[in-house]
Amino acid sequence: GNSVTQMEGPVTLSEEAFLTINCTYTATGYPSLFWYVQYPGEGLQLLLKATKADDKGSNKGFEATYRKETTSFHLEKGSVQVSDSAVYFCALSEWDRDDKIIFGKGTRLHILP
Amino acid sequence: EADIYQTPRYLVIGTGKKITLECSQTMGHDKMYWYQQDPGMELHLIHYSYGVNSTEKGDLSSESTVSRIRTEHFPLTLESARPSHTSQYLCASSELSGNTIYFGEGSWLTVV
Repeated sequence: GNSVTQMEGPVTLSEEAFLTINCTYTATGYPSLFWYVQYPGEGLQLLLKATKADDKGSNKGFEATYRKETTSFHLEKGSVQVSDSAVYFCALSEWDRDDKIIFGKGTRLHILP
Repeated sequence: EADIYQTPRYLVIGTGKKITLECSQTMGHDKMYWYQQDPGMELHLIHYSYGVNSTEKGDLSSESTVSRIRTEHFPLTLESARPSHTSQYLCASSELSGNTIYFGEGSWLTVV
């Protein structure tokens, strides 16, 4: 079955550091891929998405590229801020197969001033 | 900005009480979901619905029940709350054939 594996946290970085959160997936077909962010005390918000191979999703300085050859969708940001401290979830869906979205277990990010 | 609302945001209740968590969305989405989120962050799908009068159990067994009488409304009920039900509950919605899911802000339930 489909699955998502993302790096375990917590990840602690200093402000302005470069961020990478790894995400790999297994899927039977051609899924759409997502990154969601959860700020403290809130629900999940869609951060970015990509619907086909080689697509790059981007938002708020974050980027992720859909790599079919490595089945990966790593999240990157060039210079993190304290306000980026949150939990990040990688997810996939194959709506034309079983219309479920599969979430990774989440990666907690702490940014130190 | 997604238009999906949950009430109450925070609730502390005694064991044995009946509670209903409300969820409403104004986007006209057919599909709605309830997730339970552990303190360790992992999300577990407990209920979902394809539309009015449709309810399905998710991947994680739950003692809660749901109903879908109106498209925009998907309440979750616990008939007799227990401390093991203490958790965050997240409601979400999506188009029937869409591939993006939108979340409410969550309801934090504490059973004492």
